[in-house]
Amino acid sequence: AQKITQTQPGMFVQEKEAVTLDCTYDTSDQSYGLFWYKQPSSGEMIFLIYQGSYDEQNATEGRYSLNFQKARKSANLVISASQLGDSAMYFCAMSLSGGYQKVTFGTGTKLQVIP
Amino acid sequence: DGGITQSPKYLFRKEGQNVTLSCEQNLNHDAMYWYRQDPGQGLRLIYYSQIVNDFQKGDIAEGYSVSREKKESFPLTVTSAQKNPTAFYLCASRENRSPRGTGYGYTFGSGTRLTVV
Repeated sequence: AQKITQTQPGMFVQEKEAVTLDCTYDTSDQSYGLFWYKQPSSGEMIFLIYQGSYDEQNATEGRYSLNFQKARKSANLVISASQLGDSAMYFCAMSLSGGYQKVTFGTGTKLQVIP
Repeated sequence: DGGITQSPKYLFRKEGQNVTLSCEQNLNHDAMYWYRQDPGQGLRLIYYSQIVNDFQKGDIAEGYSVSREKKESFPLTVTSAQKNPTAFYLCASRENRSPRGTGYGYTFGSGTRLTVV
């Protein structure tokens, strides 16, 4: 079975500072994908970044980077230069290669950016 | 622009009533999914469909039903058998094979907030 663990229910960060949101995962599969989504108060899920299990380099998308440590089974999200608009819930998720590629989500981290 | 449309945005249900949540996509995606989100929890899979006229139960299918008569549409019915239906419901779709990698290309709708009154 696959499992995603996010141990930080809530985080505060000062505007313009960097912040790391933790995510660990558990699977015995060799082929999988890891994602981060942002969910603002409006409820929509906004895709941020993706890391494939065979990708050798850490994924980056603008101010977002994914610190992928395969041996430790961690996939932390780093947001650089935080902005007030970054205040939202953040979900880590994983998809396996087999079957219907169901995505399993963590419980989320609520990030609040302080001016 | 391509995307997923969920309607209505807010829905109120009386006790014992069935209600249907709409999900339409124009992305030409084969696979579609329904998730439920409760406060303080992540998303849990209700039903999924990989092709037209075929769908499978997810982790929490009891009290829900779906149909997939057209590729673009995947409506979810919350039946009176669902004891605690108040939640936020999200529909998603994905192309069957993504060159980018496993599971890449999930697209979500903007959700329907269902409340029992």
